Amino acid sequence: RKEVEQDPGPFNVPEGATVAFNCTYSNSASQSFFWYRQDCRKEPKLLMSVYSSGNEDGRFTAQLNRASQYISLLIRDSKLSDSATYLCVVNKGYGNKLVFGAGTILRVKS
Amino acid sequence: GAGVSQTPSNKVTEKGKYVELRCDPISGHTALYWYRQSLGQGPEFLIYFQGTGAADDSGLPNDRFFAVRPEGSVSTLKIQRTERGDSAVYLCASSLSSRDRAISDYGYTFGSGTRLTVV
Repeated sequence: RKEVEQDPGPFNVPEGATVAFNCTYSNSASQSFFWYRQDCRKEPKLLMSVYSSGNEDGRFTAQLNRASQYISLLIRDSKLSDSATYLCVVNKGYGNKLVFGAGTILRVKS
Repeated sequence: GAGVSQTPSNKVTEKGKYVELRCDPISGHTALYWYRQSLGQGPEFLIYFQGTGAADDSGLPNDRFFAVRPEGSVSTLKIQRTERGDSAVYLCASSLSSRDRAISDYGYTFGSGTRLTVV
C-alpha cells in the first residue's frame, strides 16, 4: 500500500464549479500535511498547509481528519487557471522527508 | 539566490555514462533534499542533507547513485553507469532547517528540476 493515496482523476469541471479532492495516508505518526500544486512540466509549489482545525485560503479549503487519516481539498468557483495537478503531501515528523501522493489532475473548462 | 537553482535544466546522456546534477539552494537554507519524479507520479524521495551530512539516504535506489554537499550549500547528485530507467526529472528542494517548525509550516521550496534522459 502506498503511504499517500490519491484519486488520479482527471477531474473535468466547468468554470465556476466546486470540486473536492481526497487523500488518505497510512502512517498514523504523520504530523504535517500539505497540498502542493504542480503545473505541467513545472516544479511543485506549496498551495497550503493543512491544519487539524481546517483552514481556508480564499477559494481553497483544506480539512484534516486524523482519526480516519484523511485529508481533503475543496476548490470553490473554479477558474481556468486552477487547472493543474494537486499533490497531497505528508511529513512524518520534524526532520523527516515529505512523502508525496501521485497527484490528482484537475482540468477546468470554459 | 532568490530561489533554488538547478543545472542543467535538461541532460541527455547515453546509457552507461556518468552524470552530475547540481543544486544551489536558497541562501541560508540548511536542509536540502533530492527527489525524483517520473511521468504520472509524485516526487519520490532520494536523500536529504542537514548541513554537510546526509541525514537520510534511504531513498537512493542503488549504489550507482550518490550525493554530496561538501560545504553545506551546493549539492551534487551523481549517477554512475546510467540506465534508461534513470530517466526522470530530478528535483532539488531546500528549507530553513529540518529541525524547526519550518517544515511543518512551510514545506519545501523546489527548484525547477533537471530533466534527465538516458538513451
